Parts: sequence; structure tokens; C-alpha cells
Amino acid sequence: ILNVEQSPQSLHVQEGDSTNFTCSFPSSNFYALHWYRWETAKSPEALFVMTLNGDEKKKGRISATLNTKEGYSYLYIKGSQPEDSATYLCALHTGTASKLTFGTGTRLQVTL
Amino acid sequence: NAGVTQTPKFQVLKTGQSMTLQCAQDMNHNSMYWYRQDPGMGLRLIYYSASEGTTDKGEVPNGYNVSRLNKREFSLRLESAAPSQTSVYFCASSGGISSYEQYFGPGTRLTVT
Repeated sequence: ILNVEQSPQSLHVQEGDSTNFTCSFPSSNFYALHWYRWETAKSPEALFVMTLNGDEKKKGRISATLNTKEGYSYLYIKGSQPEDSATYLCALHTGTASKLTFGTGTRLQVTL
Repeated sequence: NAGVTQTPKFQVLKTGQSMTLQCAQDMNHNSMYWYRQDPGMGLRLIYYSASEGTTDKGEVPNGYNVSRLNKREFSLRLESAAPSQTSVYFCASSGGISSYEQYFGPGTRLTVT
């Protein structure tokens, strides 16, 4: 079983703060790294799919970087807003089958 | 374009009862998945179907069976429900050969008493 770890488990920031969290994965099994955003009472929605070492992706105030050699990815949120409150999941795709292995997520709460 | 749909949205079962969770996608995706979500455990893969006609076990398949009825539909069956199967169940699909980005249904909240 692959071990995809996310830290911290939860995070509480104030509106306007910038924040980041980490996804760690075994570098020997890498094909792609996915980030999903999961709001309470909704379904997970894809943010980024990253495949190349050194990849950087950006969507609005959210960006992500990837280091496949050391097995980690960072997700950054600049100027957090209350609507950013959600659980952020990363998932590893090893390429051997069409399935993903998810981390347990980082739960972000942004307050006014 | 409805994306991924799941029925029912909520269900309460008694221990030992059986039921089937239905999932359908209208995106012409090849691959479909069933996950369960439990507090502190994230999403755990129960079964998946890489393409029509194939199914494979995921991380937690015990107590479940699946059927890939056609390209659109992938059902999950609980033959004899147990309280440990109380969970939220998500169906997902993916179609890209290179990205495998998954699209999720709204979830089914199942309680087994």
C-alpha cells in the first residue's frame, strides 16, 4: 500500500493570510500528482494535475509546486479568503493502473 | 451534461440487509471508481473499473461487489450490510489517457444500524 502523507492535518488562518501545506509520496512510484479541493457537503473537485519535476501550476490565488526526486508537493494559497475553507487532498498516480492513492487531506479554515 | 450521478443520496439499512448503490456518468469516460470516506481516513478505494468489462479490487474491497454494467454505469453492492460499512460513498470517473483527473459524484450517505 502506497503511503501518501499530508501535513498539517488542519490549519486555521485569518482572512488575508497566505498559507501552504505539504503532500509527501514515495518518489520511486511517480507518474502524476493530483490536487483536489473538497468543500464540506460537496464532492472533491480537481485543482491541478502535475507530472514533471519542477512543475508549477497556478489557478487564481492557489498555486502548487512539485519535486518528484524528493517526493513532495506544496500547495500555496495567497491572501486566504473564507471561501477557500475546504479540505485539500493530494493523490498519487503511479501509472500502473488507472487508480489514485489519496492522502488524508489538510483541512483549512479561514476566518474573518 | 450531468457529469457523475449517484443514487440514492441517503440510505439507512439494518445489519444483514443488502442494497446496490448506482452510479452513472455521461462524459464517455473509460474508468470508474468507488470510494468510501470515513472521518480521519480520507478517501479509500473500494473497487475500480479501468475499462468496460473489467473490475479490480482497491484498498478495502471486503464486503462489497461491483458490476460495470456498460460504459456509463458502475454499481456497488453490499450483500450483507454491517455497521462497519456506515460511511459516505463516492463514485468517480476518469477518461484521460494521460491525466486520469477524476470527476466525483455527489456521494451517498449510508448508515447501517
